[in-house]
Amino acid sequence: KAGVTQTPRYLIKTRGQQVTLSCSPISGHRSVSWYQQTPGQGLQFLFEYFSETQRNKGNFPGRFSGRQFSNSRSEMNVSTLELGDSALYLCASSQANFGSYEQYFGPGTRLTVT
Amino acid sequence: AQSVAQPEDQVNVAEGNPLTVKCTYSVSGNPYLFWYVQYPNRGLQFLLKYITGDNLVKGSYGFEAEFNKSQTSFHLKKPSALVSDSALYFCAPLLGAALIFGKGTTLSVSS
Repeated sequence: KAGVTQTPRYLIKTRGQQVTLSCSPISGHRSVSWYQQTPGQGLQFLFEYFSETQRNKGNFPGRFSGRQFSNSRSEMNVSTLELGDSALYLCASSQANFGSYEQYFGPGTRLTVT
Repeated sequence: AQSVAQPEDQVNVAEGNPLTVKCTYSVSGNPYLFWYVQYPNRGLQFLLKYITGDNLVKGSYGFEAEFNKSQTSFHLKKPSALVSDSALYFCAPLLGAALIFGKGTTLSVSS
């Protein structure tokens, strides 16, 4: 079974621009979560989608948004990029909404904002 | 506030020796607990989880973890370390759908 895939793997953007990252979950997984990883703040939860609905959201500004499609694929968007948005963005998928099912992570998208 | 503490930034062990990576948490309720490992320039890989039941859980690659409810700890252990175990390890309680990650502990295994 194929793992979680994320595209693109690397991205360089300029301050003020916007960016869209894509995530394809493991087949059959309906829950998709997004995390931001930075050296200073570590790994932080952004949001989680299940059946095209955002059900959980972390403590990030409204510039960070996402969506999920009917095939469970998910995208996250960051508008008006700031230097501090430079990070590794990780997507994770899970079989079930909440509960004991572990989350499987993709390789991440490395975003650099200049 | 919900938090996770991994008190050691780095743990150094010799190959063949036992290893322990410590984790304590402050999360309301009885959270599910997870350990993940991250190799350079790669995403996180699931190692093991505690849901309920036996306080000693076994996971991938020979790792196990000991849950202690009274101390709210979930320490990762391995009886005999390998050089290939060198990586960054994260402890993470699950709060709703969100994994709450510790800062991570770098494990360095020398030959």
